[in-house]
Amino acid sequence: NAGVTQTPKFRVLKTGQSMTLLCAQDMNHEYMYWYRQDPGMGLRLIHYSVGEGTTAKGEVPDGYNVSRLKKQNFLLGLESAAPSQTSVYFCASSRDRGGTQYFGPGTRLLVL
Amino acid sequence: GIQVEQSPPDLILQEGANSTLRCNFSDSVNNLQWFHQNPWGQLINLFYIPSGTKQNGRLSATTVATERYSLLYISSSQTTDSGVYFCAVYGGNQGGKLIFGQGTELSVKP
Repeated sequence: NAGVTQTPKFRVLKTGQSMTLLCAQDMNHEYMYWYRQDPGMGLRLIHYSVGEGTTAKGEVPDGYNVSRLKKQNFLLGLESAAPSQTSVYFCASSRDRGGTQYFGPGTRLLVL
Repeated sequence: GIQVEQSPPDLILQEGANSTLRCNFSDSVNNLQWFHQNPWGQLINLFYIPSGTKQNGRLSATTVATERYSLLYISSSQTTDSGVYFCAVYGGNQGGKLIFGQGTELSVKP
């Protein structure tokens, strides 16, 4: 099992550009999450999903959109990137509500 | 919402030493998880421990839910233990969301 994978690993964007981060899990987990990690801020939840076709807002959802069209994939979109979105983005999944979360390797995003 | 505080924020150890990391939380929780983020950024789940004590090799964790704290013990530390240790709690009314502490940054010197 690959567990949780993320693509790309690193990306540089210019302000105003758009991009999509892909998260895939092969553990048949219902719950999936997108976090961002910034120095001194810990991990903050952006959006999450409790199952295929569902999405919900986390702590810091502004400027991001998500989709969960397939159970194994969770996409995070930035429609118009801003320098404040420079961060490391982690995807995670869990079997059930409040269950053990498994993290992907992260995506480093730099917005100039 | 639930507040999670970890201490100490930073810790430097000599290889072979033992250490205790603490996680306090402000309200009752359904579960608590400990993670290790290695120097390459990978987050690894160490323990899922809503209460009681668990051990995995040189690491063990204890959660006393009634007193709202958890401890992570690292014995005979190794340089590979370096990184940031996070605790995260789930309060039951957060849609599956974990609330993370700020982390303890551990550096083990050879």
